[in-house]
Amino acid sequence: NAGVTQTPKFQVLKTGQSMTLQCAQDMNHEYMSWYRQDPGMGLRLIHYSVGAGITDQGEVPNGYNVSRSTTEDFPLRLLSAAPSQTSVYFCASSYSPGQGYNEQFFGPGTRLTVL
Amino acid sequence: AQKVTQAQTEISVVEKEDVTLDCVYETRDTTYYLFWYKQPPSGELVFLIRRNSFDEQNEISGRYSWNFQKSTSSFNFTITASQVVDSAVYFCALSTDIQGAQKLVFGQGTRLTINP
Repeated sequence: NAGVTQTPKFQVLKTGQSMTLQCAQDMNHEYMSWYRQDPGMGLRLIHYSVGAGITDQGEVPNGYNVSRSTTEDFPLRLLSAAPSQTSVYFCASSYSPGQGYNEQFFGPGTRLTVL
Repeated sequence: AQKVTQAQTEISVVEKEDVTLDCVYETRDTTYYLFWYKQPPSGELVFLIRRNSFDEQNEISGRYSWNFQKSTSSFNFTITASQVVDSAVYFCALSTDIQGAQKLVFGQGTRLTINP
């Protein structure tokens, strides 16, 4: 089991560029989420998904798009990067009810810098 | 709205001292879950504990213990006989999603430094 994987680990973008942060899990988890971590603010939820084809917004969704075409993958898209999106991004997944302890498993993070 | 407050931004102690990290939460829901995560210098998030709102029993795991008090909306974390390896940022988090862990609201984190 690789758990939750994220690519790339580091990325530098220029303002206005677009990119996709990849997230994949091999635990057959139905729930997947994206968080961003900024200094002094903890982690904040961007978007989440309760299963393939179903996504919803979290606390800070502006500037980000997501889709969930498979159970395994949950990419996060920045359509036009802004310096305010400089952050560390974490993807997480968890079991659905009835499948056990609902701990969220986090990926290793992607450190994004927007110049 | 849900909120988690970790008032201690940074704590520094000498090895072998006991240290308590405070966590205060706000929610109007009667069913909720509380979590603690550790983020060592390497950056990953390590799950430490999950507690639901109906279970007020305190928990001990080795040198770690957690004190959950609904009356004060607190879920404090104590490390006994701290070690240098305990140095990390610790996050308290709250989820009111009835399915357990889908939408976490995190506190700001407490940076704990254990000096040798």
